[in-house]
Amino acid sequence: AQSVTQLDSQVPVFEEAPVELRCNYSSSVSVYLFWYVQYPNQGLQLLLKYLSGSTLVKGINGFEAEFNKSQTSFHLRKPSVHISDTAEYFCAVSELWGKFQFGAGTQVVVTP
Amino acid sequence: EAQVTQNPRYLITVTGKKLTVTCSQNMNHEYMSWYRQDPGLGLRQIYYSMNVEVTDKGDVPEGYKVSRKEKRNFPLILESPSPNQTSLYFCASSLRSRAGDQPQHFGDGTRLSIL
Repeated sequence: AQSVTQLDSQVPVFEEAPVELRCNYSSSVSVYLFWYVQYPNQGLQLLLKYLSGSTLVKGINGFEAEFNKSQTSFHLRKPSVHISDTAEYFCAVSELWGKFQFGAGTQVVVTP
Repeated sequence: EAQVTQNPRYLITVTGKKLTVTCSQNMNHEYMSWYRQDPGLGLRQIYYSMNVEVTDKGDVPEGYKVSRKEKRNFPLILESPSPNQTSLYFCASSLRSRAGDQPQHFGDGTRLSIL
């Protein structure tokens, strides 16, 4: 069965500093991986996805993630954050037939 | 505008009083799903539907029912709500029934409080 672990519940970061959000997953089959962002009082929006191919995936708003099959990880990075990146971030994994697992979320707080 | 619409957005009700949260999408998506979001637990999948008349359980289906009679609608039914179902609920949809590789479009959420 698939599962997802986000290793940090909260990540404080200064504006213009880099940030990395860690995500590990477990699955007995091939998976698809996603990162979503949730701004206050809103639904989730897709940041990026890994389906196959290149292990470095670029998404919206300057985010990127790297799929590492041997370490079963899918960490999210941004080289320079803005105040507007303050939000909760969710890693998600899906096996083929419609079941999704989300991590518990990482709250990113960007301060000036 | 492409969207997933949930109603109501907020509801306070009492234990045992049946309620339905509606979800509608205008994108002709095959796949739809319901989640609940609780602090520290992230989103947990309740039910999903690969297409009309096809539904299946997610990780936390107890106490919930769904139906998919039309492609665009996927209501969530709580026959006898209990306080442990107090949560923030999200409906989502994606294009194809082979949904694993499709990103989901989320509604804005329904906050349920059951007293």
